[in-house]
Amino acid sequence: DAGVIQSPRHEVTEMGQEVTLRCKPISGHDYLFWYRQTMMRGLELLIYFNNNVPIDDSGMPEDRFSAKMPNASFSTLKIQPSEPRDSAVYFCASSWGRSTEAFFGQGTRLTVV
Amino acid sequence: AQSVTQLDSHVSVSEGTPVLLRCNYSSSYSPSLFWYVQHPNKGLQLLLKYTSAATLVKGINGFEAEFKKSETSFHLTKPSAHMSDAAEYFCGMRYQAGTALIFGKGTTLSVSS
Repeated sequence: DAGVIQSPRHEVTEMGQEVTLRCKPISGHDYLFWYRQTMMRGLELLIYFNNNVPIDDSGMPEDRFSAKMPNASFSTLKIQPSEPRDSAVYFCASSWGRSTEAFFGQGTRLTVV
Repeated sequence: AQSVTQLDSHVSVSEGTPVLLRCNYSSSYSPSLFWYVQHPNKGLQLLLKYTSAATLVKGINGFEAEFKKSETSFHLTKPSAHMSDAAEYFCGMRYQAGTALIFGKGTTLSVSS
């Protein structure tokens, strides 16, 4: 398996624009997680899904952020409108089972100018 | 509340000396615990995991960790540091089956020659 695949790897956008980050989890995994990493706040959990259903979105910072998982092999994280404070590295991860480790993608480095 | 605390934001060692990275957790349940490593501009890679089997867990690259329930700790150790160990290390927890993986704020390990 190719692992968790995220796209794009880098994104530079202007404030106010819509940004969509994409994730393909490992085949067969039933949990998918979105994280945001910044120097100040470390690695924050934004939202996670189980069998394509959002379980906990309490980490989503505000209504500008939304995430979907239309099927078992694809998820998106959308920011609309984007702001400079959204600049961070966004990671997607997936796992199989209720207590096992998560496998991480390479991340998307988002810069909002 | 369920949480993970990494007690040191930065640890510096000399090559060939032991490494100790400290992690405490808070959980009302029997958690699964993990250590991940992140090299610059990379995703997180699993080093080792504890899932209620043996309390002393061996991982990759000579790392090991001991689960101590009485101390609510899961410290990461390595007998002899190598230059290639310089990276960011994250302690993580799934505090209950079916919950998300949450992390401490990370410890930066520096290794000098």
